[in-house]
Amino acid sequence: GENVEQHPSTLSVQEGDSAVIKCTYSDSASNYFPWYKQELGKGPQLIIDIRSNVGEKKDQRIAVTLNKTAKHFSLHITETQPEDSAVYFCAASDNTDKLIFGTGTRLQVFP
Amino acid sequence: EPEVTQTPSHQVTQMGQEVILRCVPISNHLYFYWYRQILGQKVEFLVSFYNNEISEKSEIFDDQFSVERPDGSNFTLKIRSTKLEDSAMYFCASTIQGNTEAFFGQGTRLTVV
Repeated sequence: GENVEQHPSTLSVQEGDSAVIKCTYSDSASNYFPWYKQELGKGPQLIIDIRSNVGEKKDQRIAVTLNKTAKHFSLHITETQPEDSAVYFCAASDNTDKLIFGTGTRLQVFP
Repeated sequence: EPEVTQTPSHQVTQMGQEVILRCVPISNHLYFYWYRQILGQKVEFLVSFYNNEISEKSEIFDDQFSVERPDGSNFTLKIRSTKLEDSAMYFCASTIQGNTEAFFGQGTRLTVV
């Protein structure tokens, strides 16, 4: 079955700097790659997603890149703000609909 | 904005007791899921449900677990005889169709003592 690895487990950045979180997946059949933000005591919330027919997608300060050949995808947050502090999860899905999550990255943005 | 709602937010139960976790998915969604997250760990898939039957289940979802959509709005997860290791945050999610944005509820924290 699918296995998703995520790095780093923790990331601390200064406000205004960029943050990059990387994930790798094992199943070449996976074709949908969402990123979720989880704030303390809340459920995961989708922030951006990408499908396997696209190499890059951007939404304001957030971008995701996908390298199908290498089976890895990355989340890029530019101009980080303290409210970006949260746990971020990558996930992968094939046509079976279930999401396989990575282990999470705790991002701390210091003012 | 439509949201997935879960009740209760926190449930404490004695080992061996049955618990039912409740979820109200987004009204026009057709696919429903349960995930769990043990404290400090990643979110794990339990089961998916479509067209009134289970589509897929993980190894975690053994005979002690069951799901039901008793009416047009609720989606429940039942654990028949809880174990200490069932202690976790349980998330319900729904999607309008397969392989699209999953909306998650706030979760139910289950503590088995």
